[in-house]
Amino acid sequence: GQNIDQPTEMTATEGAIVQINCTYQTSGFNGLFWYQQHAGEAPTFLSYNVLDGLEEKGRFSSFLSRSKGYSYLLLKELQMKDSASYLCAVRDSNYQLIWGAGTKLIIKP
Amino acid sequence: IAGITQAPTSQILAAGRRMTLRCTQDMRHNAMYWYRQDLGLGLRLIHYSNTAGTTGKGEVPDGYSVSRANTDDFPLTLASAVPSQTSVYFCASSAQGASTGELFFGEGSRLTVL
Repeated sequence: GQNIDQPTEMTATEGAIVQINCTYQTSGFNGLFWYQQHAGEAPTFLSYNVLDGLEEKGRFSSFLSRSKGYSYLLLKELQMKDSASYLCAVRDSNYQLIWGAGTKLIIKP
Repeated sequence: IAGITQAPTSQILAAGRRMTLRCTQDMRHNAMYWYRQDLGLGLRLIHYSNTAGTTGKGEVPDGYSVSRANTDDFPLTLASAVPSQTSVYFCASSAQGASTGELFFGEGSRLTVL
């Protein structure tokens, strides 16, 4: 079956760096997405990786290794507003998105 | 403001009642989706539509139906609601064929079935 694994919850300190990991087993691969979801709100798109390597976008970076079925989201210079859930999703061979359960990130002052 | 509008934002419903969740987008996206989100689980696809006039079943379609009469609207109907359908429902759209094809989500409809 298809599966996306990511930690349920992580805690980090304001100003620090945190890495959220995502491993996947899917039927085919057509890209990996990271979304941010604040409590009670809709998910919003953060990043997209389809080739191996690092994609950087401001304080956020996302890495992909297709051979390892692995990605991570790196958040630098953490701010209190980064407290949210981070969702990893993989687009499979049928171009359908398979979603992880999300990682709740708690930022402490 | 361009985007996706869902209605209602919240609803309490008696079991056995019929309910339609509305979804409208003004981005002219060809693909639209309905997801449910439950605590501890990832977003689960209920139904989708790749283009107006076509629909498909997702991972958890039982008890739900959809229609796609035009590009903008994609309503989700619960014919006879059951308590297990208590959830937060998100409508989303994407421009299939675009470089990333990321999903844009509505604000969600919180449904409680008693």
